[in-house]
Amino acid sequence: GDSVTQMEGPVTLSEEAFLTINCTYTATGYPSLFWYVQYPGEGLQLLLKATKADDKGSNKGFEATYRKETTSFHLEKGSVQVSDSAVYFCALSDDGQAGTALIFGKGTTLSVSS
Amino acid sequence: DSGVTQTPKHLITATGQRVTLRCSPRSGDLSVYWYQQSLDQGLQFLIQYYNGEERAKGNILERFSAQQFPDLHSELNLSSLELGDSALYFCASSAQPGQNYGYTFGSGTRLTVV
Repeated sequence: GDSVTQMEGPVTLSEEAFLTINCTYTATGYPSLFWYVQYPGEGLQLLLKATKADDKGSNKGFEATYRKETTSFHLEKGSVQVSDSAVYFCALSDDGQAGTALIFGKGTTLSVSS
Repeated sequence: DSGVTQTPKHLITATGQRVTLRCSPRSGDLSVYWYQQSLDQGLQFLIQYYNGEERAKGNILERFSAQQFPDLHSELNLSSLELGDSALYFCASSAQPGQNYGYTFGSGTRLTVV
């Protein structure tokens, strides 16, 4: 079935460092790909999305490019801030066995220090 | 406020008991999704409803059931509770069950079974 694998955390960075969180997926069809962020004590918020190959999603300085050839959707940010500390989830949506529900990776905790 | 309302925010109950979690989707959204978030399993998709009809099932136990009412709010019923059912339960909604749509999450119900 469909699945998402993302890098294990925690990721610990200093402010203004470059961030990459790796995400790869397995899907039978042509999924849409998403990154969600969860701040402490809150629900998940959509960070960015891409719906087809070579699309680049971007928001708040974060970017991710849908790479069909490598089945990847890595999250990047050029200069992280303390306020970016959160848990980041990669997810896919593919109208298959799970309907159109999002299938999530296990999440990567990012901790940014000043 | 995401527009998705979940009640209660916290629930503590004993093993063997039954509880009901409630979700009101964002105004205009027809599709509702339930997820369970635990430390060891991550975010697990439980069940999806669209306009009152069950659309897809994920890793939902037989002790758990859900429904979506004509006013589109949804309830997740958990019975014969076990310690392992302690988790955060999230509801999400979307306008249509389409893979191009992001989902809006509520802030969750934290269930503690003692």
